[in-house]
Amino acid sequence: GQQVMQIPQYQHVQEGEDFTTYCNSSTTLSNIQWYKQRPGGHPVFLIQLVKSGEVKKQKRLTFQFGEAKKNSSLHITATQTTDVGTYFCAGVANFGNEKLTFGTGTRLTIIP
Amino acid sequence: DAGVIQSPRHEVTEMGQEVTLRCKPISGHDYLFWYRQTMMRGLELLIYFNNNVPIDDSGMPEDRFSAKMPNASFSTLKIQPSEPRDSAVYFCASSLRGGLSEQFFGPGTRLTVL
Repeated sequence: GQQVMQIPQYQHVQEGEDFTTYCNSSTTLSNIQWYKQRPGGHPVFLIQLVKSGEVKKQKRLTFQFGEAKKNSSLHITATQTTDVGTYFCAGVANFGNEKLTFGTGTRLTIIP
Repeated sequence: DAGVIQSPRHEVTEMGQEVTLRCKPISGHDYLFWYRQTMMRGLELLIYFNNNVPIDDSGMPEDRFSAKMPNASFSTLKIQPSEPRDSAVYFCASSLRGGLSEQFFGPGTRLTVL
């Protein structure tokens, strides 16, 4: 079945440093979504990308969808303590179903 | 709108007991999803419904798990009998267009089976 892996699994950064998480799917995706889950909370939608090579920005966050639509990345510039949490990518396999498969997640901790 | 509502928020039960988790999706959302989250297995899709009809239950671990959606505003996930390995956080989510649109998650039910 479809698998979505993320690296790294954990990342500890000093406040102000940049952070990147990478997402790789075993199959071509129709879309890629990114979610953030704060400790003790529930996943909250950040963004969706659907076009090959698409890049979107939200303030300090930059999201990319790979040309082959099998990988994606999330980059955070100048991390802040509010960025703490686990970041998940998720995508629908490109063969017509509606199931969103979530990646393994990257847990970000910030050292003040 | 109040968002996706789940109850109970916490459930502690003993092995062998029946557990029922409840979810009220956002009004107007045609899709409802049940997920389970554990440290070991991450966020897994158990089952999803479209217009109250179960579409894919391939993620349901075994026959002890069952889910229903009797109407557009209510769904249940039942575990009978429960086992310690069922301990996890169970999330319900709803969306307009399945996996192709934003999923709104409920706060989750933390289940502990002793």
